[in-house]
Amino acid sequence: AQSVTQLDSQVPVFEEAPVELRCNYSSSVSVYLFWYVQYPNQGLQLLLKYLSGSTLVESINGFEAEFNKSQTSFHLRKPSVHISDTAEYFCAVGENQAGTALIFGKGTTLSVSS
Amino acid sequence: DVKVTQSSRYLVKRTGEKVFLECVQDMDHENMFWYRQDPGLGLRLIYFSYDVKMKEKGDIPEGYSVSREKKERFSLILESASTNQTSMYLCASRSPGTNSPLHFGNGTRLTVT
Repeated sequence: AQSVTQLDSQVPVFEEAPVELRCNYSSSVSVYLFWYVQYPNQGLQLLLKYLSGSTLVESINGFEAEFNKSQTSFHLRKPSVHISDTAEYFCAVGENQAGTALIFGKGTTLSVSS
Repeated sequence: DVKVTQSSRYLVKRTGEKVFLECVQDMDHENMFWYRQDPGLGLRLIYFSYDVKMKEKGDIPEGYSVSREKKERFSLILESASTNQTSMYLCASRSPGTNSPLHFGNGTRLTVT
């Protein structure tokens, strides 16, 4: 069965600084990966996904993540954060076989201050 | 856009009560899921369903059951609520295909006193 580890539970940064939220996974089969974001008092929203093909994927609000198969990682990055990026971020992994569900990491709280 | 609606945003129930959490999706998705979210523990899968009247246990099914009588509706049932079931409950759905993304509702915050 697959598993996900988000290495940092909290990441405080200043506005306009770069940020990296780390995610490692384990699985014995091929995987697909997602990053979800949860703003206060809301459900989870899909931020970006890796299914196959190019290992670098981007979101519409400036985040990007790179799938690294050899290091089993899918770290999320943004070169310059805004106050509005303050949220909880979840990495999720699914296996490319029927009968399985997404497994989520424990989440990373990103706090952006001015 | 896919809309996943959870019937209650906040619920307060007493220990021992039978509790129903309802979830409806409007995109004809076959797959539906119930997760529980707790601080420091992330999302944990309780049950999921791949089709009407079908259900599979997730990682923490104890104390819960589910019902899927219609494709658009997936209910989570707490047969006898306990204080350790106080949590945020998130429903999600997705289209068939192992790599389809999940679409989430806004959650139901359940407090059991």
